[in-house]
Amino acid sequence: QKEVEQDPGPLSVPEGAIVSLNCTYSNSAFQYFMWYRQYSRKGPELLMYTYSSGNKEDGRFTAQVDKSSKYISLFIRDSQPSDSATYLCAMSTGFQKLVFGTGTRLLVSP
Amino acid sequence: DTGVSQNPRHKITKRGQNVTFRCDPISEHNRLYWYRQTLGQGPEFLTYFQNEAQLEKSRLLSDRFSAERPKGSFSTLEIQRTEQGDSAMYLCASRQSPQGHEQETQYFGPGTRLLVL
Repeated sequence: QKEVEQDPGPLSVPEGAIVSLNCTYSNSAFQYFMWYRQYSRKGPELLMYTYSSGNKEDGRFTAQVDKSSKYISLFIRDSQPSDSATYLCAMSTGFQKLVFGTGTRLLVSP
Repeated sequence: DTGVSQNPRHKITKRGQNVTFRCDPISEHNRLYWYRQTLGQGPEFLTYFQNEAQLEKSRLLSDRFSAERPKGSFSTLEIQRTEQGDSAMYLCASRQSPQGHEQETQYFGPGTRLLVL
């Protein structure tokens, strides 16, 4: 079993929809949680960062962490075709390597 | 451009050849990481440096792989006697020294895409 599980998708939604992306994990020592966006053949771009449990909002993006359930989520409001990309969750125990999910491919149609 | 840079962006080589990739981190970042990403997978950790010291190596990093960061600035990743299974995107990331919980984030370069024929 992988430390971090993420549905690979693809997830197809119409423009303007609310998108929900999720990851589960097994290592209770993870304290730092990130979401990266990766366009085809590009490096991952940091979207959201959260320490420990709670919510964080940045524009159309909201990240949630529930450590008791070992579950993290990323919500995208008013999705745009330019949001079409692969979304990677990543987490770490602190100041060392990141452990990534497989990534969820999102397709937003006009 | 003050982001992480990687060179070359693409490399095609024949099986058995040696290849070397370079990473230039963000200038004030003293931690540098290498990851490998294959198609349809998330990046997998290979190794990381704090300044010039290599602090951790993954079991994925066979003895054909070697990484250096001689002056604590840029880093090189060399693969000797390449195999077809080495074909992947090699990603470099950097970050600041830990100065609190907000400094955990890593910033990635564009990657070097390797194809071994």
